[in-house]
Amino acid sequence: AIQMTQSPSSLSASVGDRVTITCRASQGIRNDLGWYQQKPGKAPKLLIYAASSLQSGVPSRFSGSGSGTDFTLTISSLQPEDFATYYCLQDYNYPKTFGPGTKVDIK
Amino acid sequence: EVQLVESGGGLVKPGGSLRLSCAASGFTFSSYSMNWVRQAPGKGLEWVSSISSSSSYIYYADSVKGRFTISRDNAKNSLYLQMNSLRAEDTAVYYCARDSDYGDSGGLGYWGQGTLVTVSS
Repeated sequence: AIQMTQSPSSLSASVGDRVTITCRASQGIRNDLGWYQQKPGKAPKLLIYAASSLQSGVPSRFSGSGSGTDFTLTISSLQPEDFATYYCLQDYNYPKTFGPGTKVDIK
Repeated sequence: EVQLVESGGGLVKPGGSLRLSCAASGFTFSSYSMNWVRQAPGKGLEWVSSISSSSSYIYYADSVKGRFTISRDNAKNSLYLQMNSLRAEDTAVYYCARDSDYGDSGGLGYWGQGTLVTVSS
């Protein structure tokens, strides 16, 4: 199975900060990667699909990049509603695998 | 509006069985692959199983293979997860999720609210 790692595991940031989260796959997955946001007690929400495509309705401050094994989620200017845990998911092959998550909290 | 509503969770003893259901509405259910994803208390997300639109292709995580069975009834717009030989480590919130509109690698675009399964004696 493809292993997904994320860094950092957590970060503290302030409103307005630029935040970058990275995800690495144990083997090449083309651009078959999505990013998800999850708030406590809620279901995950798809933010980015195909590594860099913005899901409909998601604010443009979210962006994704990368291909192959290394991927990045960037929040250009962190907003209060962005404090959450972020996960990457590879859907290049089965079993699909999530990264362990990155918790973004308030500094 | 796409809606996914899970049901069937609850408390079950180790070795027991449970059947989860996911009622879908607001889209043509028979056109989409469907998935189960779980989250143990305080832990990350774990993909559990996927089924293609016509049930031709089915996949499982190694952790549930041989114990869980995914199925769907397109006439009833419903997805199921039959869980047998349950273990304490299967305790989790189970989410039903629909593939996005962007194809097989387009991510999981819609999620239900989840149903809690607790395996304990």
